[in-house]
Amino acid sequence: KQEVTQIPAALSVPEGENLVLNCSFTDSAIYNLQWFRQDPGKGLTSLLLIQSSQREQTSGRLNASLDKSSGRSTLYIAASQPGDSATYLCAVLAGANSKLTFGKGITLSVRP
Amino acid sequence: ETGVTQTPRHLVMGMTNKKSLKCEQHLGHNAMYWYKQSAKKPLELMFVYNFKEQTENNSVPSRFSPECPNSSHLFLHLHTLQPEDSALYLCASSQDQAGRTGELFFGEGSRLTVL
Repeated sequence: KQEVTQIPAALSVPEGENLVLNCSFTDSAIYNLQWFRQDPGKGLTSLLLIQSSQREQTSGRLNASLDKSSGRSTLYIAASQPGDSATYLCAVLAGANSKLTFGKGITLSVRP
Repeated sequence: ETGVTQTPRHLVMGMTNKKSLKCEQHLGHNAMYWYKQSAKKPLELMFVYNFKEQTENNSVPSRFSPECPNSSHLFLHLHTLQPEDSALYLCASSQDQAGRTGELFFGEGSRLTVL
């Protein structure tokens, strides 16, 4: 059974800092990995999707990497801003029925 | 309208009430999903519909009844719920379930409170 872990559960950093959010998964036979952002009381917004054949994806100040063999992904946020404060979730797509398994998320707070 | 739209955004109901959540997607996708998000827990997949056919029921109690009349609309009918069913219910869509490259798009969610 696929399990996705995101540690720590919460993170607080000063504005301007570069930071890395980690995601690990137990079964490396995945099709893709997706990073989402969730603001309080809102739905999930897709940030980056990495296919199993890819090593990284970039969008603006965000860069996500994937190391399937070690079951890890990182989301790098450059020059963090207070507007980046949110919960970041990663999810992996795997299995014959294309099941998406989510981590519990990391709640990020960027202090002005 | 674009994206995935859910109504209502907030719902309060008693345990004997019957209500429905609605989801509509304008992305031309063929797969739609219901997820439950409770505090301190990962998102839980409830139901999957692919080309209007239910392809997954993740051991969801029968007090939750999904309906997918077409590829653009998905409903979740609620009856005789319990207080522990209070959660954020999220609808999502993707191009199709079989696709291994598909990106998932979510609605804003319906916050349900059961009294």
